[in-house]
Amino acid sequence: GIQVEQSPPDLILQEGANSTLRCNFSDSVNNLQWFHQNPWGQLINLFYIPSGTKQNGRLSATTVATERYSLLYISSSQTTDSGVYFCAVAYSGNTPLVFGKGTRLSVIA
Amino acid sequence: GAVVSQHPSRVICKSGTSVKIECRSLDFQATTMFWYRQFPKKSLMLMATSNEGSKATYEQGVEKDKFLINHASLTLSTLTVTSAHPEDSSFYICSAPGLAGGVADTQYFGPGTRLTVL
Repeated sequence: GIQVEQSPPDLILQEGANSTLRCNFSDSVNNLQWFHQNPWGQLINLFYIPSGTKQNGRLSATTVATERYSLLYISSSQTTDSGVYFCAVAYSGNTPLVFGKGTRLSVIA
Repeated sequence: GAVVSQHPSRVICKSGTSVKIECRSLDFQATTMFWYRQFPKKSLMLMATSNEGSKATYEQGVEKDKFLINHASLTLSTLTVTSAHPEDSSFYICSAPGLAGGVADTQYFGPGTRLTVL
């Protein structure tokens, strides 16, 4: 099956700093999503990005499908950005997502 | 965007009892839904794929007689944990693929159900 590796596993940032989270995957996929899991467990869908670049406020993501990796950029981090960020991939929209182990982000004031 | 709900959000039960968790797609139809389990500080692991009108397919190592899945309609899938034991305590999350132009793409997740078995 597909393997998904995320790095770094843990990240501590000062408020206002920028960061880049990386997701490598082992096979060609047609679905890639980035999530933020909040302290209550809810998965917040950040991006659906099987290829290309998208931006939403302070967050942006880039997926280079041919090289099987995706990057999530967080700029001007805030304490509310803390939590676990998951990358998940699937062969198609109708097949289940395979999750990486996540990056645990702590933003301190 | 599409909304998936789960009920209950939290349940505490005694060992040996059965617990039913509902997953509903509120504003779209889902012939397929997925059930995941997440242990503390771990990632999400797929348990089973729920198919409307047919039997669910289970991942290796997941006991189908213990985790009963019923996809009763195009908007509802249920997961019943039978004879629950403390090791079944976990966070259970469902998802359903949304459609864009008739093609499934983004998967939408419910808020999860935290099960504690005493």
